[in-house]
Amino acid sequence: DQQVKQNSPSLSVQEGRISILNCDYTNSMFDYFLWYKKYPAEGPTFLISISSIKDKNEDGRFTVFLNKSAKHLSLHIVPSQPGDSAVYFCAADGGATNKLIFGTGTLLAVQP
Amino acid sequence: NAGVTQTPKFRILKIGQSMTLQCTQDMNHNYMYWYRQDPGMGLKLIYYSVGAGITDKGEVPNGYNVSRSTTEDFPLRLELAAPSQTSVYFCASRIPGQNTEAFFGQGTRLTVV
Repeated sequence: DQQVKQNSPSLSVQEGRISILNCDYTNSMFDYFLWYKKYPAEGPTFLISISSIKDKNEDGRFTVFLNKSAKHLSLHIVPSQPGDSAVYFCAADGGATNKLIFGTGTLLAVQP
Repeated sequence: NAGVTQTPKFRILKIGQSMTLQCTQDMNHNYMYWYRQDPGMGLKLIYYSVGAGITDKGEVPNGYNVSRSTTEDFPLRLELAAPSQTSVYFCASRIPGQNTEAFFGQGTRLTVV
């Protein structure tokens, strides 16, 4: 049972345009959400997060939006840069369970 | 400050062999996690620990064992290796409390033949 889903395995965008990565979750107990970036042969690195009490969090070129009623979050990258090409994972914190559950990932390719 | 360190980086095992994947962190984080990454399957939680002496199962615990005798170390044990355990394994740590991120090691690539 996949509690955190990223339905797009891959995404290709042009440099300078916006990249939008999507994530859906099923467990309403999740109260904190994170996005990670992963390059090949490296461990995932933290990018940005959002608490369930907010609907938007922004950090430079990266913005995460949370729609609790739809159990959906998205990561916007603008403008996209070739160095952003990587696999992006969303993750959800189960609160009292202390688990950190990850999605299946989306491979972003930013074309120069 | 090395962060989260995993050893070995690569390993080839024969079916039925056993091994321990090592994970240590120097950030004094109480929470530690083990994940496996299979192609197209994302990161699956194997086991996690909220402190020394406390461990719990994640999404895919079968075939693995863990222990947590110190805050720093969280080894993952494979007793009878199977081809289905061929994967990349990641260890992560995190401070307790709400709204904190996890820090990952560089991973161990394991092949079972």
